[in-house]
Amino acid sequence: KNEVEQSPQNLTAQEGEFITINCSYSVGISALHWLQQHPGGGIVSLFMLSSGKKKHGRLIATINIQEKHSSLHITASHPRDSAVYICAVRFAGAQKLVFGQGTRLTINP
Amino acid sequence: GAVVSQHPSWVICKSGTSVKIECRSLDFQATTMFWYRQFPKQSLMLMATSNEGSKATYEQGVEKDKFLINHASLTLSTLTVTSAHPEDSSFYICSAERTGETQYFGPGTRLLVL
Repeated sequence: KNEVEQSPQNLTAQEGEFITINCSYSVGISALHWLQQHPGGGIVSLFMLSSGKKKHGRLIATINIQEKHSSLHITASHPRDSAVYICAVRFAGAQKLVFGQGTRLTINP
Repeated sequence: GAVVSQHPSWVICKSGTSVKIECRSLDFQATTMFWYRQFPKQSLMLMATSNEGSKATYEQGVEKDKFLINHASLTLSTLTVTSAHPEDSSFYICSAERTGETQYFGPGTRLLVL
C-alpha cells in the first residue's frame, strides 16, 4: 500500500530554534514534495526532491532513497515560519500525489 | 517559481446554484492539472486529474456530474460545482504541472453554500 507518514503532527518551538520535520514512505518513488500551507489556505511548493539535498534560504530538504525517508529542516526559525508543512509523494509509475497528514508548526517569539 | 491563479478566491452562493472556479497557469503550459478539496484541519483530497484535451479522471467517490471539470487549454482548467448544497462548502485547490516537473498550487477558492 502506498503510504506517507509525517512526524511530528504538531510542533511548538521558540524563535531561533532548529526545526526538523520527518516524512517516511512505503515504496519506491519518483519524486517527493515539501509544501507549506499558511492559515489563509494557500499552498506553496517548497521543494521537489528525487535524491540528495536541496537548500533555499533557511530551509533544507534531504532525502534518503534507501531508507525511504525525507527531512525538512528550518534553521533560525521565526514566527512567520508558523504554518502546516506537508510531505507529498509521487510513487513510481503514478501520476498523482499522496499526501502526509501534515505537521502543524508554531514558532513563538 | 511558476504561478498558478484561481478565481474567485472566495464565493458565497445559495443552495441549488452552480459555481464555476477557474485555475490558470500564468507563465507555463500545464500538461496536467489537478483539483483538490480540503476540509478544515485535514489534508488535501484529490478529486480529479485533468489532462489537456481529454476527459478528467475522477477519484473514487467523486461524482462526475456534480463536479464538472473542463481542461480546454494548456493554461486553463475549470471546476463547476453543479446544484451546490451546503455539504459542498469547502476549500478547493488546483495545481498544475508540466510533465516531470513539480506541481504548482493555486491559492485556493473558499466556497460557502447557504
